Amino acid sequence: GEDVEQSLFLSVREGDSSVINCTYTDSSSTYLYWYKQEPGAGLQLLTYIFSNMDMKQDQRLTVLLNKKDKHLSLRIADTQTGDSAIYFCAEGGGGGADGLTFGKGTHLIIQP
Amino acid sequence: GAVVSQHPSWVICKSGTSVKIECRSLDFQATTMFWYRQFPKQSLMLMATSNEGSKATYEQGVEKDKFLINHASLTLSTLTVTSAHPEDSSFYICSARDFRKLAGATDTQYFGPGTRLTVL
Repeated sequence: GEDVEQSLFLSVREGDSSVINCTYTDSSSTYLYWYKQEPGAGLQLLTYIFSNMDMKQDQRLTVLLNKKDKHLSLRIADTQTGDSAIYFCAEGGGGGADGLTFGKGTHLIIQP
Repeated sequence: GAVVSQHPSWVICKSGTSVKIECRSLDFQATTMFWYRQFPKQSLMLMATSNEGSKATYEQGVEKDKFLINHASLTLSTLTVTSAHPEDSSFYICSARDFRKLAGATDTQYFGPGTRLTVL
């Protein structure tokens, strides 16, 4: 079945860049997403990338997709304390007809 | 951006009672809504896909008689946890797909804030 893997924790210093990695197994995924979840809150869509793209940049966020290796990454430049949250990688296929398959989430910890 | 609300945001109930959770898309129409469950420190697991005007499609292992889903309009889906037990305690999150983007370049699901259910 489909599987999405992420490391559980990432610790970075404030002001540094954070890179959160994700691997997935479903090669038919049409879209890949990054969501942010703050404590006790729902999910906030950060960004997404279409499967035929290699890179997408949106302000401090850069998404890189290596479709051959089924590897997705999210880079957050100039990490701030407000970026502390859990980041979920998710994949969806078939034009979004199906629900999303989520990874377990990476807890981003910011050191002062 | 698109807004999805859920009500209630949290609920505590006794074992054996039924609980209804509402999911609304506030500023767009959603032909498809999804219900997820998230256990503590776990990922979101898709429970079912709710299509307006038709029966929901449940994921393997999810009891359709226990988790009743009704999608009566383009802006409202409800999840009813029937005869709730402590093991049903979880964070339930819905998402709604923006109908207007069906033919567009993106396909985005917008998530509600979640409902925390605690069954005593």
